[in-house]
Amino acid sequence: GQQLNQSPQSMFIQEGEDVSMNCTSSSIFNTWLWYKQDPGEGPVLLIALYKAGELTSNGRLTAQFGITRKDSFLNISASIPSDVGIYFCAGRINAGNNRKLIWGLGTSLAVNP
Amino acid sequence: GAVVSQHPSRVICKSGTSVKIECRSLDFQATTMFWYRQFPKQSLMLMATSNEGSKATYEQGVEKDKFLINHASLTLSTLTVTSAHPEDSSFYICSAASGRVRNEQFFGPGTRLTVL
Repeated sequence: GQQLNQSPQSMFIQEGEDVSMNCTSSSIFNTWLWYKQDPGEGPVLLIALYKAGELTSNGRLTAQFGITRKDSFLNISASIPSDVGIYFCAGRINAGNNRKLIWGLGTSLAVNP
Repeated sequence: GAVVSQHPSRVICKSGTSVKIECRSLDFQATTMFWYRQFPKQSLMLMATSNEGSKATYEQGVEKDKFLINHASLTLSTLTVTSAHPEDSSFYICSAASGRVRNEQFFGPGTRLTVL
């Protein structure tokens, strides 16, 4: 099925550093979502974006809905060890009752204390 | 709010047996639930969309007779893996759409299935 291009695939950073990851699509999306998944757990919704150009923060996390509606980025500022996990972007093309999401392949984040 | 539970969290079974996994929305009603499977170090793969009171919609390549889905109430959907084989071993995750958050999907903790 269709998937989003998510990069980077993995990151290894020092505690305190900022992190940036992004997703791109060949299709126009009307919703962008960012989830975090810890090992052996289900994904947890971090940020939801619904409007082109929208910039939304959740604590140290900031995400933006690209103006072309074909991309989104997630930034994490001042990373801490509990930021470790896999971050997935997900998007939705259609409005209305179709809630099916298209997923990125994930960005694995490791933080060195 | 928007808490989703799954049971069991892990199951080990013999080849040929059937396994039922439950997905419950604990503090909201969900007319739509989704079932995913996830292989190690891979993304989530949607298997089917489950709507309360109607038949599930399966994704291409997913056998509906193999993976039986029942969404009997607004808080419960079940996935039954029939005649399980080792290749069915995977991490199965459900999600439920919450009307409180623009019908976005909230995920259960997942079920690790191992078929011997």
